[in-house]
Amino acid sequence: DADVTQTPRNRITKTGKRIMLECSQTKGHDRMYWYRQDPGLGLRLIYYSFDVKDINKGEISDGYSVSRQAQAKFSLSLESAIPNQTALYFCATSEGTGVNEKLFFGSGTQLSVL
Amino acid sequence: QKEVEQDPGPLSVPEGAIVSLNCTYSNSAFQYFMWYRQYSRKGPELLMYTYSSGNKEDGRFTAQVDKSSKYISLFIRDSQPSDSATYLCAMSDNFNKFYFGSGTKLNVKP
Repeated sequence: DADVTQTPRNRITKTGKRIMLECSQTKGHDRMYWYRQDPGLGLRLIYYSFDVKDINKGEISDGYSVSRQAQAKFSLSLESAIPNQTALYFCATSEGTGVNEKLFFGSGTQLSVL
Repeated sequence: QKEVEQDPGPLSVPEGAIVSLNCTYSNSAFQYFMWYRQYSRKGPELLMYTYSSGNKEDGRFTAQVDKSSKYISLFIRDSQPSDSATYLCAMSDNFNKFYFGSGTKLNVKP
């Protein structure tokens, strides 16, 4: 079983709809992240959470919200989806240990907003 | 100006070739450098990481960091078709956030 699981793998929706992307992890890590990936732009940070009570905006948080339901669960919501939110979304976790810090990614959710 | 710039490629090489992938950065506070490999429709996976200037070798892969020039490289020796993927460089200053390059798509032809 994957250590970082994202659901759904693919989603097609219409403009204005509310969408939730879910992420769960079995790695026991405190830190969780949401990124989006667009061709030519690389990975951009949307939100990150260092523990259940600590949630922070990333560089492109407008139009998104998150919920950290438990150490293992971190959800991303698009309150009113728009076409330029069409992208590949990744959840990631890290231990937060410093020098040996590593990000572990899920397999991604491909979201298309029509 | 983006914090991290990466040659976009795509790069196509014959099997057995030496591959050089490069990134430049603007933030002199970056001290932790990583290379991720991403196969199609998969999440990135950590390939190499280094904490300082110099070279680090792992099998056919060598990561090189030149802080004075703000330039990092990943070399792949004896490239294989299984190395075909997108390679992302990433950097961090205080381990709270990671900054990624846009990725270089590599195709190794049999």
